[in-house]
Amino acid sequence: DAKTTQPPSMDCAEGRAANLPCNHSTISGNEYVYWYRQIHSQGPQYIIHGLKNNETNEMASLIITEDRKSSTLILPHATLRDTAVYYCIVRVGRGSSASKIIFGSGTRLSIRP
Amino acid sequence: GAVVSQHPSWVICKSGTSVKIECRSLDFQATTMFWYRQFPKQSLMLMATSNEGSKATYEQGVEKDKFLINHASLTLSTLTVTSAHPEDSSFYICSARPGTPGGADTQYFGPGTRLTVL
Repeated sequence: DAKTTQPPSMDCAEGRAANLPCNHSTISGNEYVYWYRQIHSQGPQYIIHGLKNNETNEMASLIITEDRKSSTLILPHATLRDTAVYYCIVRVGRGSSASKIIFGSGTRLSIRP
Repeated sequence: GAVVSQHPSWVICKSGTSVKIECRSLDFQATTMFWYRQFPKQSLMLMATSNEGSKATYEQGVEKDKFLINHASLTLSTLTVTSAHPEDSSFYICSARPGTPGGADTQYFGPGTRLTVL
């Protein structure tokens, strides 16, 4: 799976949009971009994923650059409950034997009141 | 949908005893489940991949005789920490992969089990 690079920490004011970047310059054409987050002492929570197009769901938006070498996770109106470690993961889709997720260090997002 | 549970949520045991942790997919069938552990202030580390009806595949450096994994059904995988010692104290997390063909390969995680070995 492609390696990802994320800033170790970020902070954002409550109510503002939180934009979390991720670089994945070695991504392959069949690899998806996934985002998970882990709130303290809980299991990771799936947020969103995408292949080429931008995606939006009730939690967040995912913007993938045209060359797919980077992406941004957007939390439109951050709340204190969004304080967590956010992981950007790139991996192949179903059909590959390499379906395990390897976690990097992630970005520790702090939301300030 | 896509809920994964773990039991127990926390356990304290004496050194030398064995502890079993259950991971269940509540509303989907999981052909593959994964076990991770996480030490304080560190990221999740994959321990093993469990496929229903077959032997688990362990990551390098993980002792298969110490961490016994059984994936007896499409909704249940168990991790048994045998002869636990204080250094096995950690946060153990499982994830499950729905058996839906095609497309992306989203996995869903359980809430974790905190093991403390005295």
